[in-house]
Amino acid sequence: DAGVTQSPTHLIKTRGQQVTLRCSPKSGHDTVSWYQQALGQGPQFIFQYYEEEERQRGNFPDRFSGHQFPNYSSELNVNALLLGDSALYLCASSSRTETTYGYTFGSGTRLTVV
Amino acid sequence: AQSVTQLGSHVSVSEGALVLLRCNYSSSVPPYLFWYVQYPNQGLQLLLKYTTGATLVKGINGFEAEFKKSETSFHLTKPSAHMSDAAEYFCAGFLSGGYNKLIFGAGTRLAVHP
Repeated sequence: DAGVTQSPTHLIKTRGQQVTLRCSPKSGHDTVSWYQQALGQGPQFIFQYYEEEERQRGNFPDRFSGHQFPNYSSELNVNALLLGDSALYLCASSSRTETTYGYTFGSGTRLTVV
Repeated sequence: AQSVTQLGSHVSVSEGALVLLRCNYSSSVPPYLFWYVQYPNQGLQLLLKYTTGATLVKGINGFEAEFKKSETSFHLTKPSAHMSDAAEYFCAGFLSGGYNKLIFGAGTRLAVHP
């Protein structure tokens, strides 16, 4: 049973560029959450998608946007990249009907902005 | 405000010694609490969880945690540390109604020396 799959694993972008990160949830999960983990810090909640809509959002600017597709996979888009956007981006999937199980995390995408 | 606080960003123990990683929470509702472990350049792996019922929960790799409502704590312990336990540990919780935003502490880096 495949877990959460994220792509790409690493990428390097230049300031001002745009980036798209992708996530496929664990089989049976319908909810995707995105987190940003800066070096030496805990994961910070960006937003959560369920039924193809953004359900909750953390304290991130509008440069961060997302999308969820009918097959529950998701994309995270970041526009006008800043050096401070360099981080590990984690995708987590869960089931709305099985909240006690918590989240299953992918291995993350390491974004470096230069 | 709902939050998770991990006391001690770095903990160092000898191999075979007791491991104690501290976590306190602030929640407006009965929380669901989790401990995750992160190895270098990897995602987060669930160690254990507390939802309802028994307050002493056992997880993988010999770890356990006890939920103490009166102390708003959920400390992680392991009787005997192994070199392979060296990693970053995160306490997290669903702290508000709806269980759709998992909030993380800042993490504790555990070092195990011979």
